[in-house]
Amino acid sequence: QQQVRQSPQSLTVWEGETAILNCSYENSAFDYFPWYQQFPGEGPALLISILSVSDKKEDGRFTIFFNKREKKLSLHIADSQPGDSATYFCAASADYAQGLTFGLGTRVSVFP
Amino acid sequence: EAAVTQSPRNKVAVTGGKVTLSCNQTNNHNNMYWYRQDTGHGLRLIHYSYGAGSTEKGDIPDGYKASRPSQENFSLILELATPSQTSVYFCASGQGQNTLYFGAGTRLSVL
Repeated sequence: QQQVRQSPQSLTVWEGETAILNCSYENSAFDYFPWYQQFPGEGPALLISILSVSDKKEDGRFTIFFNKREKKLSLHIADSQPGDSATYFCAASADYAQGLTFGLGTRVSVFP
Repeated sequence: EAAVTQSPRNKVAVTGGKVTLSCNQTNNHNNMYWYRQDTGHGLRLIHYSYGAGSTEKGDIPDGYKASRPSQENFSLILELATPSQTSVYFCASGQGQNTLYFGAGTRLSVL
């Protein structure tokens, strides 16, 4: 039973477009939602995160939209660049010390 | 800068053999984690630790042991390696509801 679900599995956009990555979760106790970016051969690295008390978080070209009632969130990558080509993981936690629960990831390809 | 170092980076083991994966962090974080990453399963938590001397079971602990002898070091031990444990293993450290810092991973093949 996947507690954090991501869609689509893969996404292709042209440079300059906005990429939209979706995430949903099951556990109502989850209150912290980070997005991690992973390049081939590397470990995941934190991109942006949001707490459940907020409905939006922006950091440069990256924006998280959060809907607590529907248990859904999305990551928007504005003005996508070829260097954004990576796998993006949505994660969640209820008790930070017990680690994060990850989705299966969305592979994003940005073509020039 | 936060640093998590894993060794070895690549390992080939035989079925039934013992494998130890090592992780060192210089972040002075209390919490450390071992995840494995497989296509179709994403990242799954194996074991974690709250500090030196503590180990806790994650979501998929069967077949794995962990050891946290110090604040800086956290090891993952496969006493009897099986081909199903072929995977990429990531160590991470963190403290509070802050960033988890991941190492570069260890690619393990069990033949």
